[in-house]
Amino acid sequence: QQPVQSPQAVILREGEDAVINCSSSKALYSVHWYRQKHGEAPVFLMILLKGGEQKGHEKISASFNEKKQQSSLYLTASQLSYSGTYFCGPTSGTYKYIFGTGTRLKVLA
Amino acid sequence: DVKVTQSSRYLVKRTGEKVFLECVQDMDHENMFWYRQDPGLGLRLIYFSYDVKMKEKGDIPEGYSVSREKKERFSLILESASTNQTSMYLCASSFPGGAYEQYFGPGTRLTVT
Repeated sequence: QQPVQSPQAVILREGEDAVINCSSSKALYSVHWYRQKHGEAPVFLMILLKGGEQKGHEKISASFNEKKQQSSLYLTASQLSYSGTYFCGPTSGTYKYIFGTGTRLKVLA
Repeated sequence: DVKVTQSSRYLVKRTGEKVFLECVQDMDHENMFWYRQDPGLGLRLIYFSYDVKMKEKGDIPEGYSVSREKKERFSLILESASTNQTSMYLCASSFPGGAYEQYFGPGTRLTVT
């Protein structure tokens, strides 16, 4: 079952903040976050691991609540380049990544 | 610079044709994946492979098969293309385990008429 992302879409002005949430029905080992710009391949943003380890881009922050099986991506002081569709991809430690349906984010000047 | 390449960016095929989509990675990754992307449905896993000649079904394997004869190459096969297989197909690769990011290819937009 695909994880649920919220909101499905959000529009921001430059400089505003946004939070994207990802909720899974399965016990999680890690959560991946990717951003896809229109017409391009998804690009890695961040991995959050069970136990608290994170790796990813310095300007992106995220949280991972293992008990609630949820993750949130925090976009602060948004820039035009943040526009795109954001996907979370929780894993349960096996090979399979089940991506969410995505959150469309548009930043306006 | 790491790379995942796909054989075609755009492909138009007729119903009933056998279609091959090729993916090559140059990062010595053990894992390779094929996804299908449709509006509103996100990325759905078709098949993945964790080693040469090894494969596992994803969430939507019906109508598809895969082949991995060499570590760097993973092929998706549509045995008899149908119009409901018109979609964007994305290949990805990664090291094994959930702690490593996936690298995606540019995608192949397949239209079946």
